[in-house]
Amino acid sequence: KAGVTQTPRYLIKTRGQQVTLSCSPISGHRSVSWYQQTPGQGLQFLFEYFSETQRNKGNFPGRFSGRQFSNSRSEMNVSTLELGDSALYLCASSSMTGSYEQYFGPGTRLTVT
Amino acid sequence: KNEVEQSPQNLTAQEGEFITINCSYSVGISALHWLQQHPGGGIVSLFMLSSGKKKHGRLIATINIQEKHSSLHITASHPRDSAVYICAVILNEKLTFGTGTRLTIIP
Repeated sequence: KAGVTQTPRYLIKTRGQQVTLSCSPISGHRSVSWYQQTPGQGLQFLFEYFSETQRNKGNFPGRFSGRQFSNSRSEMNVSTLELGDSALYLCASSSMTGSYEQYFGPGTRLTVT
Repeated sequence: KNEVEQSPQNLTAQEGEFITINCSYSVGISALHWLQQHPGGGIVSLFMLSSGKKKHGRLIATINIQEKHSSLHITASHPRDSAVYICAVILNEKLTFGTGTRLTIIP
């Protein structure tokens, strides 16, 4: 089976812009979770989608949003980018909900200038 | 205080040494993951455990739910084991991460 894929792998944006990141899960997996990794805060949970519904959410402002499509692919969107949003954004897929199984993608490295 | 504490933060050892990385957490959890992250960012889940002990090759993970503590051991360490090892607990069905242990194995 192909692994989790994320596009794009690298992205440079300007403060104030918005960005959309994409995650394609392992075939058959219905759960996609998103994480942010920064040098200062480490890894933090953003949200989880399962069967097109957001099941869980971390402590991030409303500028961070996501969605999941009927084929389980997921997108996350960050509006009004801030310098502090520069990070590695990782998604992970699972056949079940609740973080009991996580297969991570390679990540998208976002730089905000 | 972080809910998940790892020690040590950095560890350098000679090839062949026995390695132990510790993880302590302050809340009741459902289960715990040990993750490995190589330079470049890719993360691999090594173990998910809720009790007892698991072994995979040279890696062993243990957890003591009552003492809120888990350890990851690497036997016969090798330079390819050099990576960041991250402990993550499942709390309210969300992962909460430790700050990671950077392991460097010198040939």
